[in-house]
Amino acid sequence: NAGVTQTPKFQVLKTGQSMTLQCAQDMNHNSMYWYRQDPGMGLRLIYYSASEGTTDKGEVPNGYNVSRLNKREFSLRLESAAPSQTSVYFCASSPQTQRQGGNTIYFGEGSWLTVV
Amino acid sequence: GNSVTQMEGPVTLSEEAFLTINCTYTATGYPSLFWYVQYPGEGLQLLLKATKADDKGSNKGFEATYRKETTSFHLEKGSVQVSDSAVYFCALSTNTGNQFYFGTGTSLTVIP
Repeated sequence: NAGVTQTPKFQVLKTGQSMTLQCAQDMNHNSMYWYRQDPGMGLRLIYYSASEGTTDKGEVPNGYNVSRLNKREFSLRLESAAPSQTSVYFCASSPQTQRQGGNTIYFGEGSWLTVV
Repeated sequence: GNSVTQMEGPVTLSEEAFLTINCTYTATGYPSLFWYVQYPGEGLQLLLKATKADDKGSNKGFEATYRKETTSFHLEKGSVQVSDSAVYFCALSTNTGNQFYFGTGTSLTVIP
């Protein structure tokens, strides 16, 4: 079971370079998310997509853009990388269900990004 | 607003000790509550969840009870193992379903 797959797992960028983190889920989930994790800060939401065709800013959107390419894929782009964007990035998805049993979020394995 | 507060770590325990990690929440409506675990170098994995008041979630010897009166969801395990060493996150989702709120995580180290 693949679940949530994100690439690349590791990347080193120079300041000012651009890159795209790719994410795909095979669980037919409606909602997808991008988080960053920094020491002592927990998880912070960058952007999310409640459903195909929609995206919304989270807590820390500055310096990032996203694309919900289709129901399966949700990419995160850094247009001009800065050292402050050195972090671990997690993609996640959830079914967004109102059924009894509630909703659950499922995470990818993470992408370690270093900006020098 | 919605938020989760969990006890700060790091927590260090000897093998077979009793574990409690405190978690309290603030939420509008009737949230679902979760504990996630993150092993080194990996993503977060769902450990257990509870969707309504007085529900008890349990998995792998871990338990947590949804207490609406104290707005708490404390994680407990009667006898920890070295393999339980990880970071534990408390989280809630709102009853609209698509927003999740995470605590800052509690690092647990279990020593033999």
